[in-house]
Amino acid sequence: GQQLNQSPQSMFIQEGEDVSMNCTSSSIFNTWLWYKQDPGEGPVLLIALYKAGELTSNGRLTAQFGITRKDSFLNISASIPSDVGIYFCAGQGRPGNTPLVFGKGTRLSVIA
Amino acid sequence: EAGVAQSPRYKIIEKRQSVAFWCNPISGHATLYWYQQILGQGPKLLIQFQNNGVVDDSQLPKDRFSAERLKGVDSTLKIQPAKLEDSAVYLCASSPPSYTDTQYFGPGTRLTVL
Repeated sequence: GQQLNQSPQSMFIQEGEDVSMNCTSSSIFNTWLWYKQDPGEGPVLLIALYKAGELTSNGRLTAQFGITRKDSFLNISASIPSDVGIYFCAGQGRPGNTPLVFGKGTRLSVIA
Repeated sequence: EAGVAQSPRYKIIEKRQSVAFWCNPISGHATLYWYQQILGQGPKLLIQFQNNGVVDDSQLPKDRFSAERLKGVDSTLKIQPAKLEDSAVYLCASSPPSYTDTQYFGPGTRLTVL
């Protein structure tokens, strides 16, 4: 089945630093999504990308849909302690009732 | 707007016992999903409902798992009998009509099978 490879698995950064994480696949996806999951909670949608090459921002977060449609990255600028959590990428093969495929997540720790 | 509600939040059972989880989606959301999230992994779809019909249950272990959404609103997921490897967080999500990429997740039920 389709798989998403997310990297890095975990990262420790200082407060104020910028962060970058990415997601790759051997299959083409038509939609890329980035979620954040806090401990004991369900994932929350951060950014949705619908077009190859699309660059979208949400506050300090910026994500891009790769040109090949097989990858995406998420950047967080000027990290703050509440950015701590697990970030998941997810892909949808076709718009409509196609299941989302999730990566294994990047665990972010921010040192104040 | 109220979010997706799930109960219970935690459940501990012994192997071979049965367990049921309940989900109430966001009002007006026609599509409902059940995911299994094993520690250290991303969520994996178990079953997707559109109103009260099943859209995708290809990854649901049907010998022991069952789910229903009788009136097109609330849903229950049952495991009978449970195995050790069923220990996971079970997440329910819902999405508005025609926007199945925009899924809103509940807080999940953490199941521990001893």
